[in-house]
Amino acid sequence: GAVVSQHPSRVICKSGTSVKIECRSLDFQATTMFWYRQFPKKSLMLMATSNEGSKATYEQGVEKDKFLINHASLTLSTLTVTSAHPEDSSFYICSARKPGPRSYEQYFGPGTRLTVT
Amino acid sequence: AQSVTQPDIHITVSEGASLELRCNYSYGATPYLFWYVQSPGQGLQLLLKYFSGDTLVQGIKGFEAEFKRSQSSFNLRKPSVHWSDAAEYFCAVGPGGYTGGGNKLTFGTGTQLKVEL
Repeated sequence: GAVVSQHPSRVICKSGTSVKIECRSLDFQATTMFWYRQFPKKSLMLMATSNEGSKATYEQGVEKDKFLINHASLTLSTLTVTSAHPEDSSFYICSARKPGPRSYEQYFGPGTRLTVT
Repeated sequence: AQSVTQPDIHITVSEGASLELRCNYSYGATPYLFWYVQSPGQGLQLLLKYFSGDTLVQGIKGFEAEFKRSQSSFNLRKPSVHWSDAAEYFCAVGPGGYTGGGNKLTFGTGTQLKVEL
C-alpha cells in the first residue's frame, strides 16, 4: 500500500498566528514529499519539494520564510504557515514519493483546509 | 518547461453514457503521464498512469487512457459513466526517467464532471 495522511484535516486560526500541518506516509518511507496549494476551482500549485534531511526546494514566488517546511524523518514532513493572513486560506495537499530510481508516482494525502480569520 | 492543458472546464454526461476527458501536454522528451480524480474536499486518487510500452493503459474504476505521441494527448475514457464518477479530474505530466529527488508533476486545471441521472 501507499497511504499518506494529513493532520489536521481542517483548521481555523486567527490572523497573525502560526499553524502547523503534518504529512505522514503511513506504510512506506518517503525520501521526497511535495507540498501543494489548491485554490477554489483551481489546479494544484506546487509550493515546495521536501527531501528528508535537507532543506526544502521552494518554487518561484513561494515565500520560504512564511511557509516553513521540515522533513525530519522518512515518514513525516511538516508545513508551518507563519504569521498567517486571510489570503493564506486555502486547501493544502501533500504527496509522498517512494524512494528509488524507478519510483515516479506521488501518493497524495487527503488535504488540509486552512481558514484564517 | 512542461505544461498540461485540459480544454474542458466542465462536462456533463448522462449516467450510462460514454465519457472522454481531453488532456494535451507539452514536454520536450517522453513524459510520464497521470490521471487523478478528486472528490470535493478530498485529496487526489491515482486513476492510471503511463510510463512506457502499450499506449492504451487501463486504470481503476473502469477508466482507460490512450497516449498519442503524435497529438501530444492523453485522453481519459470510460465506456459507461456511473453517478459516483462525478468529481474533478486532473491530468498531470512528469519528466520521464529518474531526475534525482525531483520528479515534479505539472497539473492541468482540471475538468469538473457532472453526471445526470
